[in-house]
Amino acid sequence: KAGVTQTPRYLIKTRGQQVTLSCSPISGHRSVSWYQQTPGQGLQFLFEYFSETQRNKGNFPGRFSGRQFSNSRSEMNVSTLELGDSALYLCASSDRTNQETQYFGPGTRLLVL
Amino acid sequence: GENVEQHPSTLSVQEGDSAVIKCTYSDSASNYFPWYKQELGKRPQLIIDIRSNVGEKKDQRIAVTLNKTAKHFSLHITETQPEDSAVYFCAASKGMNDMRFGAGTRLTVKP
Repeated sequence: KAGVTQTPRYLIKTRGQQVTLSCSPISGHRSVSWYQQTPGQGLQFLFEYFSETQRNKGNFPGRFSGRQFSNSRSEMNVSTLELGDSALYLCASSDRTNQETQYFGPGTRLLVL
Repeated sequence: GENVEQHPSTLSVQEGDSAVIKCTYSDSASNYFPWYKQELGKRPQLIIDIRSNVGEKKDQRIAVTLNKTAKHFSLHITETQPEDSAVYFCAASKGMNDMRFGAGTRLTVKP
């Protein structure tokens, strides 16, 4: 099976702009979780989608949102970008039916100038 | 919500020595504890996991122990090799992908 893929891999934006990141899970996986990774904060949970519904949400402001499509692909959107949003954004998929094991994508590195 | 603390934040060992990383969690309902290894510039990869009905699990040079009463779990790497150098993350989950990660431990194995 192909692994989790994320696009784009790198992105440069300026403050105030918005950005949309995409994640395609492993075939058959219906759960997609998003994480923000920064050097000082480790892996911070953003939200999780399952069957097109947000099931869990981390402690991030409303500028961070997401959605999931019927084919399980997920998008994450960040509006009104701030310098502190610069990070590696990772998505992870799991089949949720048996193991909670999450498989990570390569990430999208976002730089906000 | 769940809070996972991980120690130490950095660990340096000599090749061949053992390395131990410890994590504590706050939610007694957590029942799944994976460990991930992230090499520089790469994605986190699952290396071992344990469920709350098991006290210890081993896979070659890697082992994980779980103490439910004390709410802590540990990763043990024996006979460390330079390729073990990476950042290691512990995590705790009470199912349904409500997973929380520790802050990570940067392990350096010196040849």
